Amino acid sequence: AQSVTQLGSHVSVSEGALVLLRCNYSSSVPPYLFWYVQYPNQGLQLLLKYTSAATLVKGINGFEAEFKKSETSFHLTKPSAHMSDAAEYFCAVSKSNFNKFYFGSGTKLNVKP
Amino acid sequence: NAGVTQTPKFQVLKTGQSMTLQCAQDMNHNSMYWYRQDPGMGLRLIYYSASEGTTDKGEVPNGYNVSRLNKREFSLRLESAAPSQTSVYFCAVLAGGSDNEQFFGPGTRLTVL
Repeated sequence: AQSVTQLGSHVSVSEGALVLLRCNYSSSVPPYLFWYVQYPNQGLQLLLKYTSAATLVKGINGFEAEFKKSETSFHLTKPSAHMSDAAEYFCAVSKSNFNKFYFGSGTKLNVKP
Repeated sequence: NAGVTQTPKFQVLKTGQSMTLQCAQDMNHNSMYWYRQDPGMGLRLIYYSASEGTTDKGEVPNGYNVSRLNKREFSLRLESAAPSQTSVYFCAVLAGGSDNEQFFGPGTRLTVL
């Protein structure tokens, strides 16, 4: 069975500071990994995805994530937070057939002025 | 081009009532999904459909039925609603091939009293 753990249900950073959102996965096979963002009262939007190509993945809005197999991690980072980054972020994992996606419990990012 | 649409946006039911949540896509993709989102639990897969006429259970299928009568529409039915089914429901569509991105609808907020 696959599962995803997101450490920290709430993260608060100052505008301009580094954003680091943590995601660890458990999988018996090499997974496909995703980060989604959800703004209030909206559906989820894909930020970036890892599909066994480059281990450092760049996404939209300046976010990137690095796949580390030895640590079973796929942490999301952004060098400088912007007020518009305040949202909830979800890490997700899927097998190659993409029949099922497993989501983490989410991390709410607060950006302070 | 609306992408993924869901109806209704909001619904209040009494325990024991039934209702159907509708999802439609104009993206011509095969795979569609129903998720529920509860605070602190991320998204959990209820059912998915890999193609027209096929459906499979996800993590939390109890109390729900689905129907995929054509490629465009995927409906979720609650036969006898319970307060535990109070949640936000999202429909998603998978863009396959090398893309493998899920596109989400805006959600249906359901309250069962």
